[in-house]
Amino acid sequence: SYVLAQPPSVSVAPGQTARITCGGNNIGSNSVHWYQQKPGQAPVLVVYDDRDRPSGIPERFSGSNSGNTATLIISGVEAGDEADYYCQVWDSSSDQLVFGGGTKLTVL
Amino acid sequence: QVQLVQSGAEVKKPGSSVKVSCKASGGTFSSYTLSWVRQAPGQGLEWMGGIIPVFGTTNYAQRLRGRVTFTTDESTSTAYVELSSLRSEDTAVYYCARDRGARGLTAWGRGTLVIVSS
Repeated sequence: SYVLAQPPSVSVAPGQTARITCGGNNIGSNSVHWYQQKPGQAPVLVVYDDRDRPSGIPERFSGSNSGNTATLIISGVEAGDEADYYCQVWDSSSDQLVFGGGTKLTVL
Repeated sequence: QVQLVQSGAEVKKPGSSVKVSCKASGGTFSSYTLSWVRQAPGQGLEWMGGIIPVFGTTNYAQRLRGRVTFTTDESTSTAYVELSSLRSEDTAVYYCARDRGARGLTAWGRGTLVIVSS
């Protein structure tokens, strides 16, 4: 089955740029979605189809996807961005939806 | 904007079954895939599968096949997940989410806590 690898944790100072990676075999050929989950809350979609933002999501959230790595980019990180972030793809070879293991973003 | 309202928390014995509901409002229910995702305490997200209400088509996660069943009631715009032969590892928060494919899981319920304990 398809595996998505995320770093367990990323730390960044306020105002800096956070980059959270999601590794997978030829992930660049997939459409990658990213979710933010704060403690005790349901996940929220923050980036879909590699780089697009749903309405209501700040422009600070963006993404890229090429080769074997997709990246969620959060510019001008704020304290309120502290959360767990999950990448997700659809694995067409097995017809299964796959999540990465999640990355805890800490704002220093 | 669709809203998904889930049923309340459940406590179940090992070996029993649980059925969780997810009622949609404010949007079209039948045409979009409704996915189920669960999250064990302190763990990541696990996709359980999905159902397309208008067709009744289901797709179950491989590791849950045989124990999980998705159903819908279009008259009430409600989806259900039933998990049988419960074990302690099934203790988790269960979420329903509208799956729009290339647009991701765009709307989520608030989750239903299921505790499996003797």
